[in-house]
Amino acid sequence: ETGVTQSPTHLIKTRGQQVTLRCSSQSGHNTVSWYQQALGQGPQFIFQYYREEENGRGNFPPRFSGLQFPNYSSELNVNALELDDSALYLCASSSPGSEQYFGPGTRLTVT
Amino acid sequence: KNEVEQSPQNLTAQEGEFITINCSYSVGISALHWLQQHPGGGIVSLFMLSSGKKKHGRLIATINIQEKHSSLHITASHPRDSAVYICAVRSPGETSGSRLTFGEGTQLTVNP
Repeated sequence: ETGVTQSPTHLIKTRGQQVTLRCSSQSGHNTVSWYQQALGQGPQFIFQYYREEENGRGNFPPRFSGLQFPNYSSELNVNALELDDSALYLCASSSPGSEQYFGPGTRLTVT
Repeated sequence: KNEVEQSPQNLTAQEGEFITINCSYSVGISALHWLQQHPGGGIVSLFMLSSGKKKHGRLIATINIQEKHSSLHITASHPRDSAVYICAVRSPGETSGSRLTFGEGTQLTVNP
């Protein structure tokens, strides 16, 4: 059973650029949740995908978007990057009845 | 006011000490999670509780639903316990795996 993986581990982008972060869910899991964790704070819920459909969204603007693929892996896309988007982005996979299992995160720095 | 409040924000202990981290929440929940985050970011789930008490090794988690309060205890603390401990809650009606609302975390440092 493979765990949750995320890529890349670190990323540096310039304000205004676009970024795509990737998450491979744990085997057997059909739900992926994305979280943003600013330095010194707890994670904030961005959105969740269940069976390729968005299934709940937190208080994030539309320039944060996502996808889930038939193999249940997922992407988080952020357009028009702002300095405040600098954070650790975490994904977590789960299935009905299971806990969420977190990936190692992608640290995004926007300059 | 955050829906999930943790205390203390920072905690420094000597090896061997008994440690308690507290979590209070202001909303109804279906479950509460205790998570551990090491430097570098990876999060590990320690406990998921909906009532009572759970124990795993030197870690004990308790929850009082009526008082909307949970505690995480670490017995015989060790420097390798140094990490950020985060409390997170899941709202009623949300299916397992649904969104979590997190506290801001407690930074624990255990000195040898």
